[in-house]
Amino acid sequence: GESVGLHLPTLSVQEGDNSIINCAYSNSASDYFIWYKQESGKGPQFIIDIRSNMDKRQGQRVTVLLNKTVKHLSLQIAATQPGDSAVYFCAEKDSSASKIIFGSGTRLSIRP
Amino acid sequence: SQTIHQWPATLVQPVGSPLSLECTVEGTSNPNLYWYRQAAGRGLQLLFYSVGIGQISSEVPQNLSASRPQDRQFILSSKKLLLSDSGFYLCAWCRDRRTEAFFGQGTRLTVV
Repeated sequence: GESVGLHLPTLSVQEGDNSIINCAYSNSASDYFIWYKQESGKGPQFIIDIRSNMDKRQGQRVTVLLNKTVKHLSLQIAATQPGDSAVYFCAEKDSSASKIIFGSGTRLSIRP
Repeated sequence: SQTIHQWPATLVQPVGSPLSLECTVEGTSNPNLYWYRQAAGRGLQLLFYSVGIGQISSEVPQNLSASRPQDRQFILSSKKLLLSDSGFYLCAWCRDRRTEAFFGQGTRLTVV
């Protein structure tokens, strides 16, 4: 659900290591999930999505895992690069409705 | 290809003044449209969404309103701004209930 009032947690990762960003969602009826990357001063950009009939989906250097039993979503970034520094948000959507609800977000910081 | 335009990029308005932010989408028809607000260092709060001309769903009661006078135009308005209306306003569109949303570049509003 929405956690818009909370300060963003930070994940610090060594350059070249893998990053794992977690997200919990609240609506059991949500059946479509999206990860977004937001750089400072810009709008969120789509990274990858997954539907509820899947538990894993891979893209270029990114993998999304979905665990519907515990309502948990994760984004894995392989070989993290300086350009991956940003805030990452998960979003959930109930396809019987039209609204998209964002999670609280995680700031990813890369150590050289 | 589809594009979303949002303006202005920045805006400084006095307390009690009116507001009008405009968002237009090109290259698609009958999109779902969204307005979000983001406070500094926080998550995205859904304000309004629209599935068609003249159809507006409000998520958060406040002194803002939204209108959709044309298929690909979404306007966020206020008659009298409050200090608490300051934030980063983002417009987004998606093709239908089962697809991802694409965001504009945002408007940073400062109410003084």
